[in-house]
Amino acid sequence: GQNIDQPTEMTATEGAIVQINCTYQTSGFNGLFWYQQHAGEAPTFLSYNVLDGLEEKGRFSSFLSRSKGYSYLLLKELQMKDSASYLCAVRAIGFQKLVFGTGTRLLVSP
Amino acid sequence: EAGVVQSPRYKIIEKKQPVAFWCNPISGHNTLYWYRQNLGQGPELLIRYENEEAVDDSQLPKDRFSAERLKGVDSTLKIQPAELGDSAVYLCASSLTVDNEQFFGPGTRLTVL
Repeated sequence: GQNIDQPTEMTATEGAIVQINCTYQTSGFNGLFWYQQHAGEAPTFLSYNVLDGLEEKGRFSSFLSRSKGYSYLLLKELQMKDSASYLCAVRAIGFQKLVFGTGTRLLVSP
Repeated sequence: EAGVVQSPRYKIIEKKQPVAFWCNPISGHNTLYWYRQNLGQGPELLIRYENEEAVDDSQLPKDRFSAERLKGVDSTLKIQPAELGDSAVYLCASSLTVDNEQFFGPGTRLTVL
């Protein structure tokens, strides 16, 4: 099976940097995804990592270490609109489906 | 380009009643997913289609849930009869193939009274 852990809630200040961690256990790792979900809305794709290292996309970056079963999502220059839940999801070889964590609710304050 | 379309957006029913949800994926996307998301949780896969074939329905409660994707485009998810514990948001997603990123629809929020 697969097990994914991420913090339930985080708070940060506008303009700051925040790092949301995700640890996972899975057999046959085949990629890790980050999604953003605003309250009452659908998840939207943010990033995808399958190899170790950092993927940067504007204010958002995602890091993966396969040997440690660890990923983080880094958000820079936080804006109020970044207040949302951030979902970590893992895909395993042969299953071809995403298993989502419970999500981290981020609250950005002025 | 239009995104994934779902209807209805909200549905309130009494327990033991039937309910159906409809999904129209992004044009050209072969893979279609139905997820259920409980409050404060991540989405959980119910069923995945490759074109019109259900290739992963291991998490679908088959005693009361059914799904179809006729002609490999639109899909419907049905619950009959609904139970109180079925209250959740039902999300549909699609991807070009199973290896590509998934795009989610706005979901149907079901409340069973």
